[in-house]
Amino acid sequence: NAGVTQTPKFQVLKTGQSMTLQCAQDMNHEYMSWYRQDPGMGLRLIHYSVGAGITDQGEVPNGYNVSRSTTEDFPLRLLSAAPSQTSVYFCASSRGLVTRTDTQYFGPGTRLTVL
Amino acid sequence: DQQVKQNSPSLSVQEGRISILNCDYTNSMFDYFLWYKKYPAEGPTFLISISSIKDKNEDGRFTVFLNKSAKHLSLHIVPSQPGDSAVYFCAARVQGAQKLVFGQGTRLTINP
Repeated sequence: NAGVTQTPKFQVLKTGQSMTLQCAQDMNHEYMSWYRQDPGMGLRLIHYSVGAGITDQGEVPNGYNVSRSTTEDFPLRLLSAAPSQTSVYFCASSRGLVTRTDTQYFGPGTRLTVL
Repeated sequence: DQQVKQNSPSLSVQEGRISILNCDYTNSMFDYFLWYKKYPAEGPTFLISISSIKDKNEDGRFTVFLNKSAKHLSLHIVPSQPGDSAVYFCAARVQGAQKLVFGQGTRLTINP
């Protein structure tokens, strides 16, 4: 099992550009989510999905779009990048509701810089 | 509004001693609490968790304590080892929801 994979590892964008951060998992997990990590802020939930075709907003969804056409993939789209979106982005997956036995597995992260 | 707070950005502990990381929360609807550990350039990994109906959970060197009346959570690591040097995040789940709320993290450094 590769677990949760994210591509690219690093990305530099100019303001106004769009891009898609890729996330894939091979554990057949229903629940996937995207977080951003900023200094002093911890991890904040952007969007999440409880299964293929179902997505919902987290704490900080503005400026981001998601879709979930398959169980394995959960891409995050930046529509028009802004410097405030400079961050480290983590994708995570779990079988279901986070509990003692259904913990979230995180990918290695994508470090995004918007100039 | 930070619902989960880790007020110590960093903590330095001597190898072999006890490390205590603290976390406070404000939302009474949290029903599950977790600790994650994060090394540089890696994603967070699950460490230990506790249900809101318990006040203690132990797993090897790691023990999590929950004080519901004080809305306070702590992680004890005994004895501390150099490999424990990492950033530790506490997180809480809103009852019945698919969302986790994370604290800001505490960087733990274990000195030889």
